[in-house]
Amino acid sequence: NAGVTQTPKFQVLKTGQSMTLQCAQDMNHEYMSWYRQDPGMGLRLIHYSVGAGITDQGEVPNGYNVSRSTTEDFPLRLLSAAPSQTSVYFCASSYSTGEQFFGPGTRLTVL
Amino acid sequence: DAKTTQPPSMDCAEGRAANLPCNHSTISGNEYVYWYRQIHSQGPQYIIHGLKNNETNEMASLIITEDRKSSTLILPHATLRDTAVYYCIVRVLMNYGGSQGNLIFGKGTKLSVKP
Repeated sequence: NAGVTQTPKFQVLKTGQSMTLQCAQDMNHEYMSWYRQDPGMGLRLIHYSVGAGITDQGEVPNGYNVSRSTTEDFPLRLLSAAPSQTSVYFCASSYSTGEQFFGPGTRLTVL
Repeated sequence: DAKTTQPPSMDCAEGRAANLPCNHSTISGNEYVYWYRQIHSQGPQYIIHGLKNNETNEMASLIITEDRKSSTLILPHATLRDTAVYYCIVRVLMNYGGSQGNLIFGKGTKLSVKP
């Protein structure tokens, strides 16, 4: 199993650009989520999904969209990037009753 | 807001036991105590979780007080590779239907293992 994979590893955007951060898992997990981590801070939940076709907002959802058309994939879309979205983004997945597995992260800089 | 309180930093000598405390005085009866760690900018890694009994796995031991208001994560023989930020999180086990099962991270404890 590849576990949780994220692409790209690094990305630089200009203010106002849009992009999609990709997340995929091959463990058939129902639950997937996106977090962001700013320097010196813990992780903050952006959006999560408890299964294909079901998504919901976390603590800091503004400026981000998600969709869950398949069990495996949970992309995160930045609609119009802002410098405040400069962060490290982590995707995670789990069974509903189990430990969460995290991806390696995407480091995003918005200029 | 995170429901747990942890010291911001701790040091431990290599080869000694590292005991990381966590207070969760408002924990509910259906909430579990989870521990994760994050090694320098990598994704967080699950360590262990428990409800009320002490738990042990190949990585660590978790001691939960009888009133469940606090717990201690024990790394029995800390190595330099255990240097990381350790997060104590309380959550319900089930995710379906709501946000109760989400992991809410605080700032954790930065453990430095020194030679």
